[in-house]
Amino acid sequence: GNSVTQMEGPVTLSEEAFLTINCTYTATGYPSLFWYVQYPGEGLQLLLKATKADDKGSNKGFEATYRKETTSFHLEKGSVQVSDSAVYFCAHLTQGGSEKLVFGKGTKLTVNP
Amino acid sequence: DAGVTQSPTHLIKTRGQQVTLRCSPKSGHDTVSWYQQALGQGPQFIFQYYEEEERQRGNFPDRFSGHQFPNYSSELNVNALLLGDSALYLCASSLGGLSTNEKLFFGSGTQLSVL
Repeated sequence: GNSVTQMEGPVTLSEEAFLTINCTYTATGYPSLFWYVQYPGEGLQLLLKATKADDKGSNKGFEATYRKETTSFHLEKGSVQVSDSAVYFCAHLTQGGSEKLVFGKGTKLTVNP
Repeated sequence: DAGVTQSPTHLIKTRGQQVTLRCSPKSGHDTVSWYQQALGQGPQFIFQYYEEEERQRGNFPDRFSGHQFPNYSSELNVNALLLGDSALYLCASSLGGLSTNEKLFFGSGTQLSVL
């Protein structure tokens, strides 16, 4: 079936540290992949996406590369800021006539000054 | 330009009761999807409405039902509430029906607590 597995949190980093949040997926074919971010008290916001193999999505210093060989879409940022503190969700779009987003459980990131 | 708005923001109900949650999509959008986000979990797809019809449905029981109005706003109804229905309910809007889930805009959600 369709699923997304994310690195379990919470993750606590110091400002300017390097961030990696692992994400792997199970799906039919090559679905579009997404990272969403949820700040406290807010809805989900699309952070970045990739629609085909080897695509790199990027936004606000975050990057993720679609790796079909390893069915992964790991999120990275070279230097995190306190304002990056949020919950991050990896997701993929199902295919085959029933298009919906399938989310991972989320990873809470806290960045300390 | 208002984004996706949901009401109420918080709601407390008791087991067995019924609840209605409301969503107004982003201006210009005609498709509304509903997601349930339990504490510590990712959102799970409930259903999607387009052209006033339910187009897709996730693995939720018939106690969960919805409606879309001619102005594209939507309601989510849950009957016979269970403790396990306690969650954040997210509404997301997009344009054009099935193929547009890549451009979803989410609301801030309604936090439902069932006691």
